[in-house]
Amino acid sequence: AQSVAQPEDQVNVAEGNPLTVKCTYSVSGNPYLFWYVQYPNRGLQFLLKYITGDNLVKGSYGFEAEFNKSQTSFHLKKPSALVSDSALYFCAVRVYGGSQGNLIFGKGTKLSVKP
Amino acid sequence: DTGVSQNPRHKITKRGQNVTFRCDPISEHNRLYWYRQTLGQGPEFLTYFQNEAQLEKSRLLSDRFSAERPKGSFSTLEIQRTEQGDSAMYLCASSPMSGTGVANEQFFGPGTRLTVL
Repeated sequence: AQSVAQPEDQVNVAEGNPLTVKCTYSVSGNPYLFWYVQYPNRGLQFLLKYITGDNLVKGSYGFEAEFNKSQTSFHLKKPSALVSDSALYFCAVRVYGGSQGNLIFGKGTKLSVKP
Repeated sequence: DTGVSQNPRHKITKRGQNVTFRCDPISEHNRLYWYRQTLGQGPEFLTYFQNEAQLEKSRLLSDRFSAERPKGSFSTLEIQRTEQGDSAMYLCASSPMSGTGVANEQFFGPGTRLTVL
């Protein structure tokens, strides 16, 4: 079965420090990987995706993620956290050539950035 | 605002009643998805349309659930004989059709929060 794991329920970071939100996946086949962010009372917003090519993907709001095939990971990173980055972050995967509908999501990681 | 819209935003109903939610996707998107999200969990896929055709359904979509997209534009999700376990946030998303097999990101609406008493 295909799955996504976000091992940390919550990540706490001081403003200005780098942040990492972890994601690992388990799929049969080549993955498409996504990160979404969810603010309270708002829908999920797309941050970035990995399809193919360069393992380091840059996205919105200064976020980036690194695809590591050997470790089956796709960790989200940002060099300098902002208080406004505090939100719920979801990693998701779809398999190349697989279901066109089904995005499989992790359970989410709450990021808290303190001033 | 030309994003995905969902109505109503909140719905409170009594067990056993029927409810219907509406989703209006981004106008040029021909793919439409429904997900369910419960507290502390990520969204779980329910069903997916390409234009008016319902191409995929999750096993989560019991026979009490039905979804339609009659003209390939807006979609409705109906839950019959609601149960307390149906209480969740119901999310709709849309995306353009991929002609090359490259995965397009899905754009999500704000969701409809259902509470079944």
